Amino acid sequence: KNQVEQSPQSLIILEGKNCTLQCNYTVSPFSNLRWYKQDTGRGPVSLTIMTFSENTKSNGRYTATLDADTKQSSLHITASQLSDSASYICVVIPSTGTASKLTFGTGTRLQVTL
Amino acid sequence: GAGVSQSPRYKVAKRGQDVALRCDPISGHVSLFWYQQALGQGPEFLTYFQNEAQLDKSGLPSDRFFAERPEGSVSTLKIQRTQQEDSAVYLCASSLELVAYNEQFFGPGTRLTVL
Repeated sequence: KNQVEQSPQSLIILEGKNCTLQCNYTVSPFSNLRWYKQDTGRGPVSLTIMTFSENTKSNGRYTATLDADTKQSSLHITASQLSDSASYICVVIPSTGTASKLTFGTGTRLQVTL
Repeated sequence: GAGVSQSPRYKVAKRGQDVALRCDPISGHVSLFWYQQALGQGPEFLTYFQNEAQLDKSGLPSDRFFAERPEGSVSTLKIQRTQQEDSAVYLCASSLELVAYNEQFFGPGTRLTVL
């Protein structure tokens, strides 16, 4: 069972609208949580990185939040653009064991249309 | 180079063939990772190297999968006797050091299709 669950699986929004993507995780303890953007045919690119003690982090029009008590994170995209069309993947890095073993969610596929 | 590069970008193999996928990490990056990404899924860890040492290969799905990084730079992922279930995108990533907060930079991936 995947320890990182994302919702929705896919989402279609109009250009200029806002949207929020959800990530629930069971990986514990963890050292940090990241959101990646993956364009079709490309590798994932990091958007935000948060440690367990942070509860919000912004990167331009992207704002990630983290609630370590409920083990939930969200990625809010403001004033969406066509170029935001991509898959958004939540990644949790455990604080025990091998630091390399990133646990990826299945992603939310976002499509921004005119 | 400016980023992680992978070759080939696309590979079509007949079932039973051997394939070799190459990864050129960012110059100076100590750690290198291989992931397998099935269609519509997130990447799954295969193996990682610190310099030339393969420190964790617990994610390799079978003994048909083999990875090496002989000089601590370029890495090759080899799949022997390919099966249809091996069809996926294989992503390579590198990071400066193996610590939890170090970002992993991903290459564009190699899309393997086994017929």
